[in-house]
Amino acid sequence: IAGITQAPTSQILAAGRRMTLRCTQDMRHNAMYWYRQDLGLGLRLIHYSNTAGTTGKGEVPDGYSVSRANTDDFPLTLASAVPSQTSVYFCASSDSAGANHEQFFGPGTRLTVL
Amino acid sequence: GQNIDQPTEMTATEGAIVQINCTYQTSGFNGLFWYQQHAGEAPTFLSYNVLDGLEEKGRFSSFLSRSKGYSYLLLKELQMKDSASYLCAVRDGDYKLSFGAGTTVTVRA
Repeated sequence: IAGITQAPTSQILAAGRRMTLRCTQDMRHNAMYWYRQDLGLGLRLIHYSNTAGTTGKGEVPDGYSVSRANTDDFPLTLASAVPSQTSVYFCASSDSAGANHEQFFGPGTRLTVL
Repeated sequence: GQNIDQPTEMTATEGAIVQINCTYQTSGFNGLFWYQQHAGEAPTFLSYNVLDGLEEKGRFSSFLSRSKGYSYLLLKELQMKDSASYLCAVRDGDYKLSFGAGTTVTVRA
């Protein structure tokens, strides 16, 4: 079934540890995005990639890094996790050749940093 | 950047109509989206407006006025399964989305 997968589903992490959240899509979408969702704040863009090999910073990029080595994968890395990074993380993708360029979201990763 | 406002919560009765308003101030506009998000799940696409006017899709309709920086999502014939958060999002010229905080709609029997 076509779509976006994220791993892990949830994770509890000690502060200071390094963590990579995985995102894979099989729709051959050129653009991919990482958001965090916090109560009362809505979805905020962390990083994005308009095409393989390029990345850009969103609204809240500090403490996060991404890479886009190929079309399908867009991992998000927390180099040294802090409690304020406790959140639900959503990966999304879109096809800029499509009519609406709507974004399709993965199921999310619930991350708790203690 | 974008400043997007929508009400926090709304409650309505099954079978009724609810209108969720969204106002935005933007440094660049390239379309407005509405997403539905059930608790614990991912957002799913509902509607897209880039020109002024009303877009109708079954029980859901979305309206846009670019000059007023205003949109609304209209949910008709409410069903219990419509209880969810509804997210207004504005797309900029670089195809990035900025989201409002979301409106939680509760449908009562």
